[in-house]
Amino acid sequence: DIQMTQSPSFLSASVGDRVTINCKASQNINRYLNWYQQKLGEAPKLLIYNANSLQTGIPSRFSGSGSGTDFTLTISSLQPEDVATYFCLQHNSWPTFGAGTKLELK
Amino acid sequence: EVQLVESGGGLVQPGRSLKLSCAASGFTFSDYYMAWVRQAPTKGLEWVASISYDGGSTYYRDSVKGRFTISRDNAKSSLYLQMDSLRSEDTATYYCTTGITTSFDYWGQGVMVTVSS
Repeated sequence: DIQMTQSPSFLSASVGDRVTINCKASQNINRYLNWYQQKLGEAPKLLIYNANSLQTGIPSRFSGSGSGTDFTLTISSLQPEDVATYFCLQHNSWPTFGAGTKLELK
Repeated sequence: EVQLVESGGGLVQPGRSLKLSCAASGFTFSDYYMAWVRQAPTKGLEWVASISYDGGSTYYRDSVKGRFTISRDNAKSSLYLQMDSLRSEDTATYYCTTGITTSFDYWGQGVMVTVSS
């Protein structure tokens, strides 16, 4: 199975900050990488698919980059409603998720 | 609007069975693969099983092979997960999910399964 190493596990930032979250795959997954946001008690919501495509309806402050084994989710200007846990998912082979990044406001 | 609504969760003793259902609407159910993903309390997400659009192919994570069965009824736009020989480590919220534009782009709200004596 492909392992997804996500970092950091926990992140504290201020409104307006630029925030980056990383996922590293244990082998090449091309661009088959999605990013999700999960708020407490809710289902995951797709933000970015295939590494850098913004899902319909998602604010443009969210962006994704990377290919191969290294990927990044960027929030250009953190908003209060962005407090959540963020997960990556590789779907190049049997799907595996990153362990998650819990984002809170400083 | 795509909607996925899970049902059938609850408290069950170890070794017993439970069947989850997922009612789909807002898309042509029979055109897309479906999957179950679970999340243990305070843990990350874990893919459980997938099924092809016509039900002809099924796939499972190793820890549930031989115990769980994924199936679908395209006439009813419904997905199922039959869970037998349940273990405490199967305790989780189970999500029904599909991939229309990309893998796992739509998710239900989840249903809780607790395996405990």
